[in-house]
Amino acid sequence: DAKTTQPTSMDCAEGRAANLPCNHSTISGNEYVYWYRQIHSQGPQYIIHGLKNNETNEMASLIITEDRKSSTLILPHATLRDTAVYYCIVRVAKDTDKLIFGTGTRLQVFP
Amino acid sequence: DSGVTQTPKHLITATGQRVTLRCSPRSGDLSVYWYQQSLDQGLQFLIQYYNGEERAKGNILERFSAQQFPDLHSELNLSSLELGDSALYFCASSVEGGGSTDTQYFGPGTRLTVL
Repeated sequence: DAKTTQPTSMDCAEGRAANLPCNHSTISGNEYVYWYRQIHSQGPQYIIHGLKNNETNEMASLIITEDRKSSTLILPHATLRDTAVYYCIVRVAKDTDKLIFGTGTRLQVFP
Repeated sequence: DSGVTQTPKHLITATGQRVTLRCSPRSGDLSVYWYQQSLDQGLQFLIQYYNGEERAKGNILERFSAQQFPDLHSELNLSSLELGDSALYFCASSVEGGGSTDTQYFGPGTRLTVL
């Protein structure tokens, strides 16, 4: 299974960009990278996903390196409401039915 | 608001009892997934239903069962409850039966406390 490695925690000042890294060095060519976040004990919230090209939506940008071994989720202007645990997930090709959550990165946005 | 609804929000019960958690998927979604989040195990996949049929199974205990009804809502039944079953239970839904780009959207969860 393609596993991911994320820092345990990060801080970010309100209004600044939050850059959350994720390593997935064993990713296969047809496996997508997904990002979810969980605010306190709410349900995980889908953010964005990508295969090889950079992606952007109203919530965030996803930058995937050319070798696809790592990616970065960018929240361009972090707010206090972005404080959450962020999960980087690789959709394993042979097992795409389920999401395999790791421990994620706890992002704390401070005033 | 993801469009996935779950009831009840909170459930408190005693060991040995049986409970039913309910999930209504987003309009148009055919798949329903159940996940369990406990303090020591993190978020874990339990089971998936697609259009009424079981599609995939994860680390679901034999005491737990689920089903998806013709109107596509799903129920997760937990029986012979133990203290360790206390957790958050999330339901997610997606349009298709799984796949690399079949995005799952999660409900707000049911917090189960077993005393």
